[in-house]
Amino acid sequence: GDSVTQMEGPVTLSEEAFLTINCTYTATGYPSLFWYVQYPGEGLQLLLKATKADDKGSNKGFEATYRKETTSFHLEKGSVQVSDSAVYFCALSDRSPRGSTLGRLYFGRGTQLTVWP
Amino acid sequence: AAGVIQSPRHLIKEKRETATLKCYPIPRHDTVYWYQQGPGQDPQFLISFYEKMQSDKGSIPDRFSAQQFSDYHSELNMSSLELGDSALYFCASSFQSETQYFGPGTRLLVL
Repeated sequence: GDSVTQMEGPVTLSEEAFLTINCTYTATGYPSLFWYVQYPGEGLQLLLKATKADDKGSNKGFEATYRKETTSFHLEKGSVQVSDSAVYFCALSDRSPRGSTLGRLYFGRGTQLTVWP
Repeated sequence: AAGVIQSPRHLIKEKRETATLKCYPIPRHDTVYWYQQGPGQDPQFLISFYEKMQSDKGSIPDRFSAQQFSDYHSELNMSSLELGDSALYFCASSFQSETQYFGPGTRLLVL
């Protein structure tokens, strides 16, 4: 079945450090891949997405490339800020049971990121 | 931009009581999803609706039921509540089952 394996946290970095959060997936079809971010006490916000192999999603300085050969979608940011402190979830969505559209999201366990000034 | 609205934001119930959670999707979105996130856990899919019909079903207990109404809002009904039902319940919406956008969640505490 479909699943996502995400780098365990917590991750603690100093401001302006480089960030990588690893994510690999297993899917039976042709999934779309997502990174969601959850700030303390808030809901899940879409950070970026990629819908096919070799696509690169990017937003707010974060990037992730859909690598079909390694079934990976690692999240990177060149210089983190204190305001990036949050929990990051990698997720995938495969075709729906009806076969035509995206269905349920499968999430990784989440990675807690703390950035110190 | 309008977002997904969930109510109530917080709910405290006793064991064996009933709870109803409401979700109002982004305008023009036709698909609603419900997820449950336990403490320190990743969100788990419960159920989804497309154009008011159930489109997919996940690990939703038989004690729970849900529906989507003619105005596309959805309600999750939870009966015979158990301590283990304490969690954050998210609703997400999408247009034609594409990218899902999440609401702020309802935090349910069962005592």
